[in-house]
Amino acid sequence: NAGVTQTPKFQVLKTGQSMTLQCAQDMNHNSMYWYRQDPGMGLRLIYYSASEGTTDKGEVPNGYNVSRLNKREFSLRLESAAPSQTSVYFCASSEARGQWNQPQHFGDGTRLSIL
Amino acid sequence: DAKTTQPTSMDCAEGRAANLPCNHSTISGNEYVYWYRQIHSQGPQYIIHGLKNNETNEMASLIITEDRKSSTLILPHATLRDTAVYYCIVRPYIYNQGGKLIFGQGTELSVKP
Repeated sequence: NAGVTQTPKFQVLKTGQSMTLQCAQDMNHNSMYWYRQDPGMGLRLIYYSASEGTTDKGEVPNGYNVSRLNKREFSLRLESAAPSQTSVYFCASSEARGQWNQPQHFGDGTRLSIL
Repeated sequence: DAKTTQPTSMDCAEGRAANLPCNHSTISGNEYVYWYRQIHSQGPQYIIHGLKNNETNEMASLIITEDRKSSTLILPHATLRDTAVYYCIVRPYIYNQGGKLIFGQGTELSVKP
């Protein structure tokens, strides 16, 4: 069972470069989420997509853009990477419509370093 | 959004029950209590959730006090593989959006031989 798949697993960028992190889920979930986790801290929500065609800001959206390409895929883009964006990025998905108490399922993360 | 308070760290002997407390004194009537854990370097893993009744699944039990102001996650027979950071989360409900998760610092559980 694939679940939530994130690519790439690791990436090193130089300041100012751009990059897109990919996320795909095969559970037919409506909602998808992007979180970041800095060392020693809990996850913080960057953006989420309640359903295909909609996206909303989370706690820390500055410096990021997202695209809900279709029901399966939700990408996160860094237009001009900064060292402060060095973090581990997690994508998650959950069922939403009419079943709001369903748990989120997470991918294994993308470890991003910006020099 | 209701906030949660958890101890920073706890130890547990292998084979014994691990009881992880969580305080959520400002919880609203329609907010669920969720527990996730994160094993080093992996994505968070869902454990269990509940509203007001005690819940049990193959991984753990969740005990919620009658006033819903606190809860306890119980791992009945902790193993070394249960060493992880455990997050207690009160999940705000937004209609048709599945509910965002707001992670705190969690409790770092160390299971020792």
